[in-house]
Amino acid sequence: AQTVTQSQPEMSVQEAETVTLSCTYDTSENNYYLFWYKQPPSRQMILVIRQEAYKQQNATENRFSVNFQKAAKSFSLKISDSQLGDTAMYFCAFMTNTGNQFYFGTGTSLTVIP
Amino acid sequence: DAGVIQSPRHEVTEMGQEVTLRCKPISGHNSLFWYRQTMMRGLELLIYFNNNVPIDDSGMPEDRFSAKMPNASFSTLKIQPSEPRDSAVYFCASSLRDSYQPQHFGDGTRLSIL
Repeated sequence: AQTVTQSQPEMSVQEAETVTLSCTYDTSENNYYLFWYKQPPSRQMILVIRQEAYKQQNATENRFSVNFQKAAKSFSLKISDSQLGDTAMYFCAFMTNTGNQFYFGTGTSLTVIP
Repeated sequence: DAGVIQSPRHEVTEMGQEVTLRCKPISGHNSLFWYRQTMMRGLELLIYFNNNVPIDDSGMPEDRFSAKMPNASFSTLKIQPSEPRDSAVYFCASSLRDSYQPQHFGDGTRLSIL
């Protein structure tokens, strides 16, 4: 069975600072895909970043980057230079190579403080 | 490009009434997913379709819930009869199967059963 765990229900960060959101997962698959989604108060689900498990290089999208540790089954999201618009719920998600069903974590609510 | 389109955006109805939620996936996508989001249970997968065929409906809470996908560009989620505990935000998402691409979400329908 595939599981995704986000152990931080709530976090806060000062504007312009850096914050890291944690995500761990469990799978017996060797190849898979990992995603971070952002859900602002408008409730849209917005893709932030994705990582293929077979790639060792960590993905980066502007101020967002991941720290992917395959052996530890860890996939954390780092947000640099936090902005007020980053305030949202963040979901970690996992997809196996053998299907296109997503497995979501329970989310981390991030508040950026002015 | 148009994204996933859901209607209505908000629905308020009385207990016992039939509720129909609608979804138009992104053109060319061949997988469609229905999710329910609540504070208590987070994001739950209800059912998903590949090429208009239901693949896994194990997340459908009970027989009051049904989903159909009569063609590649339209799906419905129906609740009959509705109950107050069905109040939630319902999301539809679509993706291109076997491409390992992320799911694209609609804006959701906020359902309130009085």
